Amino acid sequence: EVQLVESGGGLVQPGGSLRLSCAASGFTFSSYWMHWVRQAPGKGLVWVSRINSDGSSTSYADSVKGRFTISRDNAKNTLYLQMNSLRAEDTAVYYCARFVVTSQCLDYWGQGTLVTVSS
Amino acid sequence: QSVLTQPPSASGTPGQRVTISCSGSSSNIGSNTVNWYQQLPGTAPKLLIYSNNQRPSGVPDRFSGSKSGTSASLAISGLQSEDEADYYCAAWDDSLNGPYVFGTGTKVTVL
Repeated sequence: EVQLVESGGGLVQPGGSLRLSCAASGFTFSSYWMHWVRQAPGKGLVWVSRINSDGSSTSYADSVKGRFTISRDNAKNTLYLQMNSLRAEDTAVYYCARFVVTSQCLDYWGQGTLVTVSS
Repeated sequence: QSVLTQPPSASGTPGQRVTISCSGSSSNIGSNTVNWYQQLPGTAPKLLIYSNNQRPSGVPDRFSGSKSGTSASLAISGLQSEDEADYYCAAWDDSLNGPYVFGTGTKVTVL
């Protein structure tokens, strides 16, 4: 059974940093691209970042470029999102999701982890 | 920030057919396949339709998708109370720095 479990969310002050993790199991993690998607309270889904299967290629939404860094450790079956210089508008539930390149879809999602940026 | 436009809401009575539209452009829907996600209240999104009209295993056949040009649509036939949720279209975008774009979302209410 495919499972994605996010962790690392919490309350952080503006300008602070946080690192999210996404532990994957039930599939060959190193064969899949992975994405992060966020959802502000009461709002819609917003794509944040993606990384290819071996970690050699990444992409970011303009709103987080230069502040967030996506990475992965295929030996540990874990995806990361390092978030620096956090702003109030980064407050959201952050989901990791598995991406199927051939069908360009996010076929499995984690349960999400809440990040709250507030003083 | 969303580049795919959906109606904010749709509704129907049990058994009715409901259709949700998704409008994009040549750089996303026009040149890539469309996916649909269902988000039940308080839960993570779930893949509902991929590659325009394919259903993952376990998705009831009352859900169907289609695409024409730069637009797509999701139809729910035989609406059921458990279909009350938010629905999002999505597609890869060839022009933006962010390669995956979501629709604005549609809240489906079962009356």
